[in-house]
Amino acid sequence: NAGVTQTPKFQVLKTGQSMTLQCAQDMNHEYMSWYRQDPGMGLRLIHYSVGAGITDQGEVPNGYNVSRSTTEDFPLRLLSAAPSQTSVYFCASSAGTGGTYGYTFGSGTRLTVV
Amino acid sequence: GDSVTQMEGPVTLSEEAFLTINCTYTATGYPSLFWYVQYPGEGLQLLLKATKADDKGSNKGFEATYRKETTSFHLEKGSVQVSDSAVYFCALPAGGGGADGLTFGKGTHLIIQP
Repeated sequence: NAGVTQTPKFQVLKTGQSMTLQCAQDMNHEYMSWYRQDPGMGLRLIHYSVGAGITDQGEVPNGYNVSRSTTEDFPLRLLSAAPSQTSVYFCASSAGTGGTYGYTFGSGTRLTVV
Repeated sequence: GDSVTQMEGPVTLSEEAFLTINCTYTATGYPSLFWYVQYPGEGLQLLLKATKADDKGSNKGFEATYRKETTSFHLEKGSVQVSDSAVYFCALPAGGGGADGLTFGKGTHLIIQP
């Protein structure tokens, strides 16, 4: 049981480049979300999804796009990378609404934008 | 909106010392409450949770009691080990019961010295 898998683990981008952070879960969870972790800031919600075809913005959505074409996958797209997007990104999924079950997290992607 | 406040640390203790990490929350109603732990270089793992007032969550020797009177969910452990060194996050559902992810405190870095 792989849980939540994120790829790549590390990435260096140049300012203005685009890329997609991949997230896949094999637990048939409906609820998925993306966070970024910055020193002294904790984790902040970027986007979330309550099922295939349904996504919405979180606390810090600017500069990021998401889509949810299948239950398993929830990729995060950076359209034009900026140094302010240097961060560690985590994907998470939950069987229920998350209020009862909590979320299962991936191991993260460390992104550096130069 | 809902929020979580926790002591930021770093908190440095000697092995076998008693641990308390404070967490207070602001929320509408009585949401579920969570403690997550992040070991160096890893993602977040659910440590324990409580789903209603006066519930006590426990795991791996850690405990936390949901106290609605003081809106608190303090994490405690009677005798810490070097292996407990990690960052600890208090969290609650972001809204709508948690379908839209979790709201985290800024994290408490715990360092246990032998």
